[in-house]
Amino acid sequence: AQSVTQPDIHITVSEGASLELRCNYSYGATPYLFWYVQSPGQGLQLLLKYFSGDTLVQGIKGFEAEFKRSQSSFNLRKPSVHWSDAAEYFCAVGFNSGYSTLTFGKGTMLLVSP
Amino acid sequence: GAGVSQSPSNKVTEKGKDVELRCDPISGHTALYWYRQSLGQGLEFLIYFQGNSAPDKSGLPSDRFSAERTGGSVSTLTIQRTQQEDSAVYLCASSGTTTDTQYFGPGTRLTVL
Repeated sequence: AQSVTQPDIHITVSEGASLELRCNYSYGATPYLFWYVQSPGQGLQLLLKYFSGDTLVQGIKGFEAEFKRSQSSFNLRKPSVHWSDAAEYFCAVGFNSGYSTLTFGKGTMLLVSP
Repeated sequence: GAGVSQSPSNKVTEKGKDVELRCDPISGHTALYWYRQSLGQGLEFLIYFQGNSAPDKSGLPSDRFSAERTGGSVSTLTIQRTQQEDSAVYLCASSGTTTDTQYFGPGTRLTVL
């Protein structure tokens, strides 16, 4: 069965430091890949997505992610974290079976320290 | 235009009561999805509508859950005889095509006492 793994439940990063959130998936073909962010009490906001083409994708708020087929990974990165980035981040995968209901990872809670 | 809207934003109900949750997708979006977000379970797919096709109900956890989509737009998720384990945030999303990006609403927080 298809699955998505975010191995880090919580991550604490100092403001201004770089960030990498990990995401791995299990699937036999190339899926559609997404990162969403959820602030407390808010819905999910799309940060970026990968469907095909360039494996390094740029998103909003200075985030980027790189699709690595050999590692079945789609890690999210940001070179310098701001306090407002504190939120929960979800990796999601759409498996191309004719439609793309999303399978989500369990999420990674990002805490930003001063 | 407006994003996906959901109502109510919060719903508190007693065990055994029925509840209806509403979703208004982005205008023109043909695909609509319901997900449930609960502690310990993360985000789970519930049901999916695409145009006039029969919905994919494969994620519904029990026959107490049902959903309909009227006129290809507004959707209602109904939970009958609510149980405490139904307490969660119910998220609705819509997309323009079957492989396009899903845009999420703010969710309905359901609390079953």
